[in-house]
Amino acid sequence: NAGVTQTPKFQVLKTGQSMTLQCAQDMNHNSMYWYRQDPGMGLRLIYYSASEGTTDKGEVPNGYNVSRLNKREFSLRLESAAPSQTSVYFCASSPHGANVLTFGAGSRLTVL
Amino acid sequence: DQQVKQNSPSLSVQEGRISILNCDYTNSMFDYFLWYKKYPAEGPTFLISISSIKDKNEDGRFTVFLNKSAKHLSLHIVPSQPGDSAVYFCAASDLSRGYSGGGADGLTFGKGTHLIIQP
Repeated sequence: NAGVTQTPKFQVLKTGQSMTLQCAQDMNHNSMYWYRQDPGMGLRLIYYSASEGTTDKGEVPNGYNVSRLNKREFSLRLESAAPSQTSVYFCASSPHGANVLTFGAGSRLTVL
Repeated sequence: DQQVKQNSPSLSVQEGRISILNCDYTNSMFDYFLWYKKYPAEGPTFLISISSIKDKNEDGRFTVFLNKSAKHLSLHIVPSQPGDSAVYFCAASDLSRGYSGGGADGLTFGKGTHLIIQP
């Protein structure tokens, strides 16, 4: 049982480049989330999808877009990467209405 | 304004002793609290939770205490083991507001405490 799978695990970008972080879960969860973790900042919610077909902004959405491709997959796109987006990104999922999240292993992104 | 505060960035405890991790919150509407544990290069994993209708919840070596009047919760690990060395995140939510986002969209995380268990 894979749980939540994120790709890639590591990525280095130049300022202005674009990229997409992929996330897939196999637990039949309705809700999916993207967080970023920065040193000394804890986990901050970027975007979430309560169910297939819906997406909403979280605490720090600027510079990002998301797509809920189907019930399993939720991608995060950086259209024009900036150094401030250097971070570790975590995808998570939960059954609808639940606070208990299952996280992926994280994607470490560096923007030069 | 940080609504969930973990004021100790790190904590060092000897193996076999009790580890106490603290968390303070400012939003009196928070009514559900969780602790997550994170190892390096892995995602956080759920550890234990407590509802505001309780003041204590226990799961094996882990106990969470909630003091609503002080807006304070703590995680006790007894006895501490080397495998407990990790970053611990406190999180809080207001379940009463009825989330449209699936539930966890209302979670507010603390900055984390790095627990180091010394042999």
